[in-house]
Amino acid sequence: GAVVSQHPSWVICKSGTSVKIECRSLDFQATTMFWYRQFPKQSLMLMATSNEGSKATYEQGVEKDKFLINHASLTLSTLTVTSAHPEDSSFYICSASPRTSGQETQYFGPGTRLLVL
Amino acid sequence: AQSVTQLGSHVSVSEGALVLLRCNYSSSVPPYLFWYVQYPNQGLQLLLKYTTGATLVKGINGFEAEFKKSETSFHLTKPSAHMSDAAEYFCAVSNTGGFKTIFGAGTRLFVKA
Repeated sequence: GAVVSQHPSWVICKSGTSVKIECRSLDFQATTMFWYRQFPKQSLMLMATSNEGSKATYEQGVEKDKFLINHASLTLSTLTVTSAHPEDSSFYICSASPRTSGQETQYFGPGTRLLVL
Repeated sequence: AQSVTQLGSHVSVSEGALVLLRCNYSSSVPPYLFWYVQYPNQGLQLLLKYTTGATLVKGINGFEAEFKKSETSFHLTKPSAHMSDAAEYFCAVSNTGGFKTIFGAGTRLFVKA
């Protein structure tokens, strides 16, 4: 149980285009989902926290207009990188907290590697 | 405020040897502590966690960690390393106060044959 999927697993796009990444909790309902960014050989940096049905809370330094997060249901959150540029290339990982537990319990997706040319 | 320090960005052990990955934390409230493992190009998998109760926590794949409040440490150990243990390991801290989970910088474990 407690499986989180991400789609796509990798994406290559041209500079200036927008890319949407989906995060789904497959066998549980998630009231809270988190989006992280990981640079090569570095740790995870929290970008934003999203709660179902409300606006996401962004971490300091993360542009909310650039990284659009939507958490429309208890099993789906999406991250859209708008007008992507090469510096947005990274590994994006989502996690989800079941509604039956606290936010300290997170199940992670397999990640999405984004390469912007 | 919370923070996590993992001592040693790289650790190399021989197959069959003891694995010891160090983690120290700081937290103004009682912490929840975690160890995650990440294989290349994959997400994180929970190895074990400490919330309350017994300070020695056993996890998957033969790993265990001990919460030592006096030392503010949560070191990860495994008696005998296996080649499949080679991966990146992250220590993390959180709590029930709604604080976000803070991850350490990670320790890459190499296992030599």
